Amino acid sequence: DAKTTQPPSMDCAEGRAANLPCNHSTISGNEYVYWYRQIHSQGPQYIIHGLKNNETNEMASLIITEDRKSSTLILPHATLRDTAVYYCIVRGSNYKLTFGKGTLLTVNP
Amino acid sequence: DAGVIQSPRHEVTEMGQEVTLRCKPISGHNSLFWYRQTMMRGLELLIYFNNNVPIDDSGMPEDRFSAKMPNASFSTLKIQPSEPRDSAVYFCASSLQGPDTQYFGPGTRLTVL
Repeated sequence: DAKTTQPPSMDCAEGRAANLPCNHSTISGNEYVYWYRQIHSQGPQYIIHGLKNNETNEMASLIITEDRKSSTLILPHATLRDTAVYYCIVRGSNYKLTFGKGTLLTVNP
Repeated sequence: DAGVIQSPRHEVTEMGQEVTLRCKPISGHNSLFWYRQTMMRGLELLIYFNNNVPIDDSGMPEDRFSAKMPNASFSTLKIQPSEPRDSAVYFCASSLQGPDTQYFGPGTRLTVL
């Protein structure tokens, strides 16, 4: 599976949009981009995933560039409860999820 | 649905003791995963079951670790004998099938003294 690169940490003001970037320049055509987050002392929580098109659900939006080499997770109105480590994972058609170090997003009041 | 259920949530034991962690996957999910998370190594996959059969146990650290899935609604991860370096948070996850989205339980925090 392709490797991902994320900034180690980011800050965001409460109520503002949080935009979390992820680089995956070696992604293959059949690999999906997955986002999970882990709030302190909890299990990883699935957020969203996509292949080529932008995706939106009740939690977030996922914007994937046309060349698929990078993506951005958008939390439209961040709250204090969104403070967590966010993992960007590229995964093929197998079962493996490989977690990196992720981005620690801190939402400030 | 109650989600993935794990027990116990916290376990403190002494070196050399047997430890058994339990997991109940989401009903209807056919794949189950055990992960371990430490500060040093992050989140790593230990073993993957599909339809109650172990498919990939390459992440199991050594023979002291064993996992079973006797039926579709229950799995155990056993450590015997336990060592201090086994201290970690152990997560169970399930998915409809292997490649599908995985949903994680709340984890078991294991401390081996």
